Amino acid sequence: SQQGEEDPQALSIQEGENATMNCSYKTSINNLQWYRQNSGRGLVHLILIRSNEREKHSGRLRVTLDTSKKSSSLLITASRAADTASYFCASTGANSKLTFGKGITLSVRP
Amino acid sequence: ETGVTQTPRHLVMGMTNKKSLKCEQHLGHNAMYWYKQSAKKPLELMFVYNFKEQTENNSVPSRFSPECPNSSHLFLHLHTLQPEDSALYLCASSSRTGAGYTFGSGTRLTVV
Repeated sequence: SQQGEEDPQALSIQEGENATMNCSYKTSINNLQWYRQNSGRGLVHLILIRSNEREKHSGRLRVTLDTSKKSSSLLITASRAADTASYFCASTGANSKLTFGKGITLSVRP
Repeated sequence: ETGVTQTPRHLVMGMTNKKSLKCEQHLGHNAMYWYKQSAKKPLELMFVYNFKEQTENNSVPSRFSPECPNSSHLFLHLHTLQPEDSALYLCASSSRTGAGYTFGSGTRLTVV
């Protein structure tokens, strides 16, 4: 069964606004990762948060993890047109397999 | 460049052809992966290699045949594919399974 499910499926915002994307998963995890993919390209690893961490920052990115709700969120602050891409969450369970969701399409309007 | 190089970037092949996809990494990673990405579907894990040994075959049809001659190189041999096999094939590597992955840019495969 699919481990990560992102919400919303598509998000359109104005440049300068914050973008919040959510991810839910079903089983216990070792870590949760967020990736970004520009159209037709490979995925780029953004950030990894371990199951014993609650929040992590990297530049304009902020990731939270709530293991009691089996959910994570990715916040991009002060968005830019160049942030337009698909964003994926992926979780690693006890078997160390990384399982991806379907992704969120983010459009940032200039 | 991410450090994971995939060739070719684009490939069009007939259903009776035999072709190979290549992936190369010089990041010192020990695990390498093949994923298939089709429109509107989650990434599908196909194969996992850990220290050159295949540790995962995710019920992939035998018309896809992986090869990992060393920790830096990974191939996907293709033969008698079907049109539904058209997709973006992504290679990734990681220092160990469960760590952050580094992806290549992918091979866009079209089966005609």
